Amino acid sequence: GAGVSQTPSNKVTEKGKYVELRCDPISGHTALYWYRQSLGQGPEFLIYFQGTGAADDSGLPNDRFFAVRPEGSVSTLKIQRTERGDSAVYLCASSLAGGASNEQFFGPGTRLTVL
Amino acid sequence: AQSVSQHNHHVILSEAASLELGCNYSYGGTVNLFWYVQYPGQHLQLLLKYFSGDPLVKGIKGFEAEFIKSKFSFNLRKPSVQWSDTAEYFCAVRGGGSYIPTFGRGTSLIVHP
Repeated sequence: GAGVSQTPSNKVTEKGKYVELRCDPISGHTALYWYRQSLGQGPEFLIYFQGTGAADDSGLPNDRFFAVRPEGSVSTLKIQRTERGDSAVYLCASSLAGGASNEQFFGPGTRLTVL
Repeated sequence: AQSVSQHNHHVILSEAASLELGCNYSYGGTVNLFWYVQYPGQHLQLLLKYFSGDPLVKGIKGFEAEFIKSKFSFNLRKPSVQWSDTAEYFCAVRGGGSYIPTFGRGTSLIVHP
């Protein structure tokens, strides 16, 4: 497809479990971003990749959160020992490059519910 | 640190009414400013952006926004709304040179036909 895709669209898990969320960026986009959107709030930055490396991970809330992008395309956000407070919509965005003038294109998000 | 305030959390209008959504930001330096829209069941998408130049920015679907530096504001306007404008609207600010925008909490707009 032409846009950013994210899987799964919905994920329900139990407190303490491990989850992986996947993002497929637009082909050719070198920059990839993860955001978290809680109910009634705007997207909150988590991590930014330029190519394979994490250029800025200052938004990750704690060491239970980790993301990878091993081949510079698909990215996986990993959450260990999930907590109820992790429930949110996790958004992925990509852009042609990491330059400030490049528009970010957002995916549909993964709705994570931790019971 | 940069922050964004959207004062109107819920707005309800009738078709053909005029719209103005407030956005104020705090950041001391050069900024890039954005309005994003999320229609029901759809992805977040860019409505318009300001980087430099003319402070009155035209976007898609008849929307415009005005950057007023002295007021740290970037309000979104549309002279006559349509039912199809029903959506969530997010203002975002990015400090000059940064790649990462900070989003406001959003404004839910409902337009009655």
